[in-house]
Amino acid sequence: AQTVTQSQPEMSVQEAETVTLSCTYDTSESDYYLFWYKQPPSRQMILVIRQEAYKQQNATENRFSVNFQKAAKSFSLKISDSQLGDAAMYFCAYRAVFGNEKLTFGTGTRLTIIP
Amino acid sequence: DVKVTQSSRYLVKRTGEKVFLECVQDMDHENMFWYRQDPGLGLRLIYFSYDVKMKEKGDIPEGYSVSREKKERFSLILESASTNQTSMYLCASSLGPGQGGTEAFFGQGTRLTVV
Repeated sequence: AQTVTQSQPEMSVQEAETVTLSCTYDTSESDYYLFWYKQPPSRQMILVIRQEAYKQQNATENRFSVNFQKAAKSFSLKISDSQLGDAAMYFCAYRAVFGNEKLTFGTGTRLTIIP
Repeated sequence: DVKVTQSSRYLVKRTGEKVFLECVQDMDHENMFWYRQDPGLGLRLIYFSYDVKMKEKGDIPEGYSVSREKKERFSLILESASTNQTSMYLCASSLGPGQGGTEAFFGQGTRLTVV
């Protein structure tokens, strides 16, 4: 079975600084998707960034980028120029390409932005 | 924009009551999901439906059932609510394998308290 591990329950960063959230996963599949979702206090889960496992290039969305290491099964999220609005729970998630299309989530990292 | 709507944001029920949580999506998605979110445990899949009247058990189906009579609506049923079912419940939908797309879209969550 696939598992997703987020080893940092809480992180904090000064406004305008850079922070990296860690995620590791375990799977026997060769083709899959990885996601970072953000859940602010409003509780609405929002997709931050997506990575296809077959792509070697790391995904980037504005201030958000990932470091995808397929061999190490690692998928970290880097947030540059942190803003107050980035404060949220961040969840790493895995989905296989074929077969069951459910998302498997990590336990989350609560990110605090210090003004 | 995809919209996933859950019928209640907050719900308080008594032990032993039959509880219905409703979810509606407006984008013709084939897949719909019910997750439970608890602190320190992340999101855990309760049930998954990939078509009308089709369902699969997730990781924690005990004490729950689901109904999908129409494509846009996916209901979670607690047959006899218990205090250990006090939690946040999140509904999600996604495109099916023949529809393209990879990400799941979430509702705003229902915080259920069983007293």
